[in-house]
Amino acid sequence: EDQVTQSPEALRLQEGESSSLNCSYTVSGLRGLFWYRQDPGKGPEFLFTLYSAGEEKEKERLKATLTKKESFLHITAPKPEDSATYLCAVQAAPGNTGKLIFGQGTTLQVKP
Amino acid sequence: GAVVSQHPSWVICKSGTSVKIECRSLDFQATTMFWYRQFPKQSLMLMATSNEGSKATYEQGVEKDKFLINHASLTLSTLTVTSAHPEDSSFYICSARDLGLHNEQFFGPGTRLTVL
Repeated sequence: EDQVTQSPEALRLQEGESSSLNCSYTVSGLRGLFWYRQDPGKGPEFLFTLYSAGEEKEKERLKATLTKKESFLHITAPKPEDSATYLCAVQAAPGNTGKLIFGQGTTLQVKP
Repeated sequence: GAVVSQHPSWVICKSGTSVKIECRSLDFQATTMFWYRQFPKQSLMLMATSNEGSKATYEQGVEKDKFLINHASLTLSTLTVTSAHPEDSSFYICSARDLGLHNEQFFGPGTRLTVL
């Protein structure tokens, strides 16, 4: 069964304290792995898509990496405005239905 | 680019009434849209996949007669919650897939439904 597990469930950091969020996945075949940011009461905001092991993408203080079993979202020198829930999702192959399998999310709190 | 809108952003209705939620892709064509439900402090639960011009595909356990989905054009999908009850109160979010952007999926801002 295709499955996505995120850890930790919650993470508290001081401003400037870098850390990483983990997304482990088990799928028969990976079509793509997606990272989203969700603020309370809002829809998820697209961050990155990764397609193959070894791929990396960066956006401001965020960097996403991918291996054959997991993805990491590295946050460098976070600021309070980075506080949000970060969701990981995979799109499994075969087929191209577009269905995403979501993890439970990691809620990040960055304190000034 | 890649903006998805939802309307309304929130709605309060009486038990037994029906509520329609619209999802629009504003700057791209979406042959496929998805409807999710999210409970407090939980992740997104896929309800159904909506393909333009064809019937929606519902996930196991989702009542298709209660949650009517119509995808009449490449930029609009609607979700109608029929005969709503308090247990239908939730945060409903749609997403749209942009095939031109490597299959990436973009989400709307969500609709908060409260059934009294």
